[in-house]
This record gives sequence, C-alpha cells and structure tokens, in this order.
Amino acid sequence: QQQVKQSPQSLIVQKGGISIINCAYENTAFDYFPWYQQFPGKGPALLIAIRPDVSEKKEGRFTISFNKSAKQFSLHIMDSQPGDSATYFCAASMMPDDKIIFGKGTRLHILP
Amino acid sequence: DTAVSQTPKYLVTQMGNDKSIKCEQNLGHDTMYWYKQDSKKFLKIMFSYNNKELIINETVPNRFSPKSPDKAHLNLHINSLELGDSAVYFCASSFPGLNSPLHFGNGTRLTVT
Repeated sequence: QQQVKQSPQSLIVQKGGISIINCAYENTAFDYFPWYQQFPGKGPALLIAIRPDVSEKKEGRFTISFNKSAKQFSLHIMDSQPGDSATYFCAASMMPDDKIIFGKGTRLHILP
Repeated sequence: DTAVSQTPKYLVTQMGNDKSIKCEQNLGHDTMYWYKQDSKKFLKIMFSYNNKELIINETVPNRFSPKSPDKAHLNLHINSLELGDSAVYFCASSFPGLNSPLHFGNGTRLTVT
C-alpha cells in the first residue's frame, strides 16, 4: 500500500530522444507526486511535481503525465541531453505527516 | 552558502565502532530528515524531526540515535557499527506540511570494514 513502483531500473536514450520513466502506486490517499533528480556524488533535488487533480504538468523539457484512475504517473524528458544523465526518483506523499515514499530509481544515460 | 551541509563527506570505520554524522541547514526549515541510500540507490527514510521533536521513526535499529539540538541541526549517532550499515546517508530539510519539497545535503558515504 505504501509502495511506489518505478520502471525501468535503467534506461539508455540517444541524444535528442524522449526519455520515459513510469511509476505506479496503490494508496489512493497519496496527494502529491514529486520527481527528484540525483547526479553522482550529490543529493537528490526536486525536479518537478504534480497533484492528482491535474493530468499533466510541463516545465521546459520535463513533463509529468498523471493517470488517476490507473494510479500511474510518468516523467517524459523531451530532447534528452547528455546533461540529463542522472538517477531519477518518483515519489509520493500524503498529508498529514508528509512522509515521502520514493520509488527505487531509474538510472538514465543519454548517449552523446 | 550551502543550504544543507553534512559532515563528514566520507567515513571509513571498523565494525563495532561508534560514529556520528552532523547536519546543518540554513534554510529556516522546521523539519529535518535522515535518509539511507543503499548500494542499489534505494532511498529510505529513517527519521524526521519537526522543530526538535521526533515525528517519524521508521523501523531502524536502536543503534541509530538522532539528536536535534535545535531546529537547524540534526545529527545521527550510530553505535556498534555493522557491515550492513555501509551506505550513503542523506540529511534533508523542508517546511512542514503543504507538500514542501525536500532539500538534501550531498550525503555521507559510510563504509564499515
């Protein structure tokens, strides 16, 4: 119930291509779905986030698509660049304790 | 100025030793956390403190004891270190509630030999 399942575990994409990472959850009480990006040797940093009353959110080349009925959400990275190579974590949280549950991460490598 | 800073960055020690990791944030956040990231990159929450009060205490062995002297600091003390404690430990902070984003430090890589 508290899990967030993320796939794929690793992903290789050509420069300029679209990177897609998928996540699924069970607990319908989750009300906030952030994505974090982590570069080697650094802590994760918030990339983009969405609430379940919105089906899509776009920030630059990064888009979250949210399917509430399927309990799934995904991150799309358009025109992927080598600088996007990092580990990406989807996550979910709910009020009141705001505990963030992370997916297991996707290692993304963009080929130059 | 680093927003969330942890020391040390690397920690190599032998089994059975006791060690501490320090964390400080200058963002004015009320809530601080410790996360453990294993070799497979899985991030798991260990503790959270809100204004020096323990809020979340996941199923972490009693050998791990967080201490928050004030709301800007959250230290992690580990007794009787075991091989399985080897991981990267991240401190993070946020404002409470309202789904405030987490701000992470750069981690402390703990290696127990």
